[in-house]
Amino acid sequence: EAGVTQSPTHLIKTRGQQVTLRCSPISGHTSVYWYQQALGLGLQFLLWYDEGEERNRGNFPPRFSGRQFPNYSSELNVNALELEDSALYLCASSLWSGPSTEAFFGQGTRLTVV
Amino acid sequence: QKEVEQNSGPLSVPEGAIASLNCTYSDRGSQSFFWYRQYSGKSPELIMFIYSNGDKEDGRFTAQLNKASQYVSLLIRDSQPSDSATYLCAVNILGQAGTALIFGKGTTLSVSS
Repeated sequence: EAGVTQSPTHLIKTRGQQVTLRCSPISGHTSVYWYQQALGLGLQFLLWYDEGEERNRGNFPPRFSGRQFPNYSSELNVNALELEDSALYLCASSLWSGPSTEAFFGQGTRLTVV
Repeated sequence: QKEVEQNSGPLSVPEGAIASLNCTYSDRGSQSFFWYRQYSGKSPELIMFIYSNGDKEDGRFTAQLNKASQYVSLLIRDSQPSDSATYLCAVNILGQAGTALIFGKGTTLSVSS
């Protein structure tokens, strides 16, 4: 069974540009979570999608947005890139969205903003 | 601000010893607690989870939860060099629109042979 897949694996963008990251959850999983892992800051919760709707978002500006498609895959969009957006962006999926949910991570997208 | 705190380490133990990793959390409403392992340059992988007070064992790993003290720990018995990684504690936080996993910054474990 395929795990969570993310694309691309690496990306270099210029400050001010826009970027779209993609995530395909494990088959049968309906919840998708996005996290940012910048150096020294740990995993910061970005967004949570379930059944096509945004359920919760972390403390990030509105230029971070996303969506979930009918097949439960998801996109994370970041507009007006800033140097501090350089980080590993991780997507995780879970079977459902209850409090006991186990989330499984993809390999991540390494974004470098220059 | 709901927080999850971990000692960043590094925690150094010799091969074969018991490694003890600790985590505290601020939200008394937290219901589920997870331990992830992250090797350098890789994504986090789930080791185990615990919901109820007490101990839960899975192979060489034991998770311990004390909700009254808002404390969760992970014990690794017979530590191996391959256990050298960063261990992330994650807590399920009940928010307005549902739940999300909040992570601590992780503890780096180094097992020497």
